[in-house]
Amino acid sequence: GAGVSQSPSNKVTEKGKDVELRCDPISGHTALYWYRQSLGQGLEFLIYFQGNSAPDKSGLPSDRFSAERTGGSVSTLTIQRTQQEDSAVYLCASSLGGKGASGELFFGEGSRLTVL
Amino acid sequence: AQSVAQPEDQVNVAEGNPLTVKCTYSVSGNPYLFWYVQYPNRGLQFLLKYITGDNLVKGSYGFEAEFNKSQTSFHLKKPSALVSDSALYFCAVVSGGYNKLIFGAGTRLAVHP
Repeated sequence: GAGVSQSPSNKVTEKGKDVELRCDPISGHTALYWYRQSLGQGLEFLIYFQGNSAPDKSGLPSDRFSAERTGGSVSTLTIQRTQQEDSAVYLCASSLGGKGASGELFFGEGSRLTVL
Repeated sequence: AQSVAQPEDQVNVAEGNPLTVKCTYSVSGNPYLFWYVQYPNRGLQFLLKYITGDNLVKGSYGFEAEFNKSQTSFHLKKPSALVSDSALYFCAVVSGGYNKLIFGAGTRLAVHP
């Protein structure tokens, strides 16, 4: 597609359940980011993938959070044993990445997670 | 560690008046600075960036931003606000390479008719 695609757009789950959020970046973009936006809060960096390099996981809030990027394209963010404080909008972005790139990130519409 | 601060939670402006949304940054090394806008129920959109060169950067929708190294600021400006400019604005910074863009908390701009 033309833009960054995220699914599901909305997810309601019960506390303790696992959830998977998917991101399909723009074709050809080597860099992929996950951010979290809580109500009334700014964007919290979670994880960054660049090409085949080891991901920067420094923003993941706990070991319940993990992310994969298969084949340098689609990424999945997994939250295990969800807690109510995990409720937020999870945003994915991609960019051309690498030296000389514009630095502009292209964002998806986000996946809104509600943990009951 | 790099960081960015947006000191105002909300800015209120009358339509037709100039607007300023403030941003200050802290980085080691040369900063790369960005502004993004989030309209209601939409994803973030890129507005403009400063990498190097002229301190005054022009971007989308008539917005511009001025890089001030001595004040470590990158305020967003527009000469004449429109009601349609009402949205959430985020300042962001990265130092060195293009990775790990760090965002401010956001400033809600409300433009009144």
